[in-house]
Amino acid sequence: KAGVTQTPRYLIKTRGQQVTLSCSPISGHRSVSWYQQTPGQGLQFLFEYFSETQRNKGNFPGRFSGRQFSNSRSEMNVSTLELGDSALYLCASSLRTGEGYTFGSGTRLTVV
Amino acid sequence: GEDVEQSLFLSVREGDSSVINCTYTDSSSTYLYWYKQEPGAGLQLLTYIFSNMDMKQDQRLTVLLNKKDKHLSLRIADTQTGDSAIYFCAERGSGNTGKLIFGQGTTLQVKP
Repeated sequence: KAGVTQTPRYLIKTRGQQVTLSCSPISGHRSVSWYQQTPGQGLQFLFEYFSETQRNKGNFPGRFSGRQFSNSRSEMNVSTLELGDSALYLCASSLRTGEGYTFGSGTRLTVV
Repeated sequence: GEDVEQSLFLSVREGDSSVINCTYTDSSSTYLYWYKQEPGAGLQLLTYIFSNMDMKQDQRLTVLLNKKDKHLSLRIADTQTGDSAIYFCAERGSGNTGKLIFGQGTTLQVKP
């Protein structure tokens, strides 16, 4: 079966712009989580959605937001981009909370 | 608080066993995970263990959990050059959450 699909794979944006990243979970998975990976901070939790509801949120500023649609697909948005937002953004999905989370290949965002 | 610690680097010879160690602080952690990340890729779930288990074996992989010391290890038998990657340990706390706390990752170098 298809894995977790993230689009686009690569993005280059300018400071001050906004960006939307997309994640399609494995079919049937209703839990979707987002993580930011940087060399300095490692892997940090952004937020988690389940059945269109945000269930948890990490310690990121309000410029980071997300949503989940009725088909479980999820998007995250970053407004007013800063250089420090350059990172690999990873999405993960799970059939049930706690069991193995399957990650996508990520979207590499570069802010210039 | 929540914190996961790993050693940063491990070098082994092909054919040897590798043991990657991890310590965590949240005694209420319910699931613990091992992920593998190859260059330019997302995270691949290797295995996970529920907190009421001491050991889990899956082909060349053996996970040992010492709840008293909050210590988790991943043993890779007959390590191959294709096992060279970064290995992340992660914990999931109690409650209805999909938030994972990751360690900083251990780079495994396998020499031929």
